[in-house]
Amino acid sequence: EVQLVESGGGLVQPGRSLRLSCAASGFSFDDCAMHWVRQVPGKGLEWVSGINWNSGGTAYMDSVKGRFTISRDNAKNSLYLQMDSLRPEDTALYYCVKDIQLASGSWPYYFDYWGQGTLVTVSS
Amino acid sequence: EIVLTQSPATLSLSPGERVTLSCRASQSVSSYLAWYQQKPGQAPRLLIYDVSKRATGIPARFSGSGSGTDFTLTISSLEPEDFAVYYCQQRHSWPLTFGGGTKVEIE
Repeated sequence: EVQLVESGGGLVQPGRSLRLSCAASGFSFDDCAMHWVRQVPGKGLEWVSGINWNSGGTAYMDSVKGRFTISRDNAKNSLYLQMDSLRPEDTALYYCVKDIQLASGSWPYYFDYWGQGTLVTVSS
Repeated sequence: EIVLTQSPATLSLSPGERVTLSCRASQSVSSYLAWYQQKPGQAPRLLIYDVSKRATGIPARFSGSGSGTDFTLTISSLEPEDFAVYYCQQRHSWPLTFGGGTKVEIE
């Protein structure tokens, strides 16, 4: 069974940093691209960042470029999101998401498994 | 950035009805479009990818169609468990984007 368990969310002041983690199990983690998608409670979905299987490729939405860094440790089956210079508009539930990886080595595709999310609140 | 516009924002329907949801892209996404379902308090679930391919375990009452800029998700006969919010998503180009969602509610 695929499981994605996020951690690291919480209340943080504007301008500060937070590091999200995602522990993955139940699939070949090092074969799949991974992503972070966020959602303000009651609002829509917003893709934040993605990373390919071997960390050779990363991508970000414009508003987080230069502030967020996605990374992964395939030996630990873990995905991370380092969030610096946080802003109130970054407040959201952050989901760790598995890419469906329809073909080996290519990305991105679509999101076939989602964690339950970790809530990040940026407020003074 | 490719903007996906979903319409209508809300649909009020009864079980057994046929539903057609629309997703329009600001530029062509070829056939690189997916649909997700999200129920309150739950993470989204992949329904359809590459316009018309059903994800694992998705019932046949869900189908997708379209190409280029105009796409449709059809539910042939609404079941009680289908009342939810539906999102489209494109993977044609960075950044990956979602539509704003269509809520299908019980009339």
